[in-house]
Amino acid sequence: DAKTTQPNSMESNEEEPVHLPCNHSTISGTDYIHWYRQLPSQGPEYVIHGLTSNVNNRMASLAIAEDRKSSTLILHRATLRDAAVYYCILRDMEYGNKLVFGAGTILRVKS
Amino acid sequence: KAGVTQTPRYLIKTRGQQVTLSCSPISGHRSVSWYQQTPGQGLQFLFEYFSETQRNKGNFPGRFSGRQFSNSRSEMNVSTLELGDSALYLCASSLVGQGANYGYTFGSGTRLTVV
Repeated sequence: DAKTTQPNSMESNEEEPVHLPCNHSTISGTDYIHWYRQLPSQGPEYVIHGLTSNVNNRMASLAIAEDRKSSTLILHRATLRDAAVYYCILRDMEYGNKLVFGAGTILRVKS
Repeated sequence: KAGVTQTPRYLIKTRGQQVTLSCSPISGHRSVSWYQQTPGQGLQFLFEYFSETQRNKGNFPGRFSGRQFSNSRSEMNVSTLELGDSALYLCASSLVGQGANYGYTFGSGTRLTVV
């Protein structure tokens, strides 16, 4: 399974943008980049995913480097409800039937 | 639309007993996966079912088993419980059984405590 590297923790101020980095230098051509987050006492929640192009949805944006060896999850205006553990995961297109979670990044949001 | 439902939410069992956990996926989702979450090991994949067949299995002992029914509902069973089996067990469902172009929807989990 391809591995990802994320910072252990990050801190942000409320209402400011947050850029959560992820390194995946061993990514293969068929790996999708997925992001999930887990709020306290809840199961993980799907945030966004992409393959090569940048992606936007109502929750966040995903910026993928041209060589695909890194990506950044962007929360445009952090709120207290965004405080969670964020996981960056690589999923193989053909055998993407499991998610391999790393330790993730703990995001703290200050008011 | 209803999310992924896991029952029960909390469970306390004694060492040596067995336990069955239930998961009802989102309507139309045929892929159901199970994960174990502990403070020490984080989130670990147990197994995945699609159309009543186990298609992928994680690195867990044979005491952990599961099954999926024709309506896509799934159960997982842990026999001969050990203290180390205390964890949050999460179920996730997906629209299709293969391909990485879909997200998983997780339930809130079953918190199992073995005493």
